[in-house]
Amino acid sequence: KQEVTQIPAALSVPEGENLVLNCSFTDSAIYNLQWFRQDPGKGLTSLLLIQSSQREQTSGRLNASLDKSSGRSTLYIAASQPGDSATYLCAVRHGQAGTALIFGKGTTLSVSS
Amino acid sequence: NAGVTQTPKFQVLKTGQSMTLQCAQDMNHNSMYWYRQDPGMGLRLIYYSASEGTTDKGEVPNGYNVSRLNKREFSLRLESAAPSQTSVYFCASRPLAGGSHEQYFGPGTRLTVT
Repeated sequence: KQEVTQIPAALSVPEGENLVLNCSFTDSAIYNLQWFRQDPGKGLTSLLLIQSSQREQTSGRLNASLDKSSGRSTLYIAASQPGDSATYLCAVRHGQAGTALIFGKGTTLSVSS
Repeated sequence: NAGVTQTPKFQVLKTGQSMTLQCAQDMNHNSMYWYRQDPGMGLRLIYYSASEGTTDKGEVPNGYNVSRLNKREFSLRLESAAPSQTSVYFCASRPLAGGSHEQYFGPGTRLTVT
């Protein structure tokens, strides 16, 4: 059974710092991996999706990498801002046809000004 | 485009009452999903519909039923609500083929069962 783990569970950093969030999964036979952001009391917003054949994806200050063979992904946030404070969720999908995402429990990030 | 919409946003039920959570998407997606999110447990799949006319159980289906009414709509029904079903419920959708297969989520329904 696929398990997704995110470490650390919580992280506090000062504004301007670069940071890395980690995600690991037990079964490397994934189809893709998706990073989400969730603000308190809100839904999930997709940040980046990496296909199994890709090594990384970038969007603005965010860069996500994927090492499928070792079962790891990282989300790099450059020059963090207080507005980045949220919970970040990692999720993997195994199959293409309709299968659902399996989620980690998230990393709650707090960026202080 | 509205994306994925869910109604209601909040609901309080008494134990034993029934209700239906509604979900609709306007992105012409084939697959739709229902998840629940509980503190310390993360998001867990309740039911999904890979395409119109099909539904399948997820990780935590007990106490729930679903209906894929048409390609746009996927409802979740609680026949006899229990306090253990207090949770935040999210509906999601994605295309079956083509594109990035990115999954899109609704804003959630916050349900309390007393």
